[in-house]
Amino acid sequence: GAGVSQSPSNKVTEKGKDVELRCDPISGHTALYWYRQSLGQGLEFLIYFQGNSAPDKSGLPSDRFSAERTGGSVSTLTIQRTQQEDSAVYLCASSLAGPGNQPQHFGDGTRLSIL
Amino acid sequence: AQRVTQPEKLLSVFKGAPVELKCNYSYSGSPELFWYVQYSRQRLQLLLRHISRESIKGFTADLNKGETSFHLKKPFAQEEDSAMYYCALSSGSARQLTFGSGTQLTVLP
Repeated sequence: GAGVSQSPSNKVTEKGKDVELRCDPISGHTALYWYRQSLGQGLEFLIYFQGNSAPDKSGLPSDRFSAERTGGSVSTLTIQRTQQEDSAVYLCASSLAGPGNQPQHFGDGTRLSIL
Repeated sequence: AQRVTQPEKLLSVFKGAPVELKCNYSYSGSPELFWYVQYSRQRLQLLLRHISRESIKGFTADLNKGETSFHLKKPFAQEEDSAMYYCALSSGSARQLTFGSGTQLTVLP
């Protein structure tokens, strides 16, 4: 595709429900990142996948958050037992592998609202 | 720990005036610094990175290690420059970006 694709674009759900957010990276990009943007704040790193290496989960805020990447391409971010503070825009980005830090290409994000 | 600070949430300038968006960082090693921009109803996109030392859309940014700053500058602002600007840092082996909280730039006619 032309860019990083995320779905759904908007998600409204009740507190306590589980949600899944999907990210399709740019073809050929081996690095994939998830960020969260809460109202009035900058982007907060959540998790990073690079090829077949173990993901860097250091940014996940709690054990209710998890992510996987199947076949080195599509990624799913899952939030279990959602809380109101999980309301945010969740952004996915992908990039080529090194050397150095390659520019990250962002999707449009999923706006998650927890009622 | 690394941190990026953008002290101005909002910045307004008149068309044709110079503009400077401030960014300061804290990191003990050798960081890579970036500016990302998000225009209205568009996705976040890379504007420039310090290692490229290039000018994009008339914007430049110089990494000042002594002052730990990476301010974004443009000599003559245009209305189409109105957007949200984020300064970001990437460190060593950690490929994820640490973002500042962003500056909303408005260029007035």
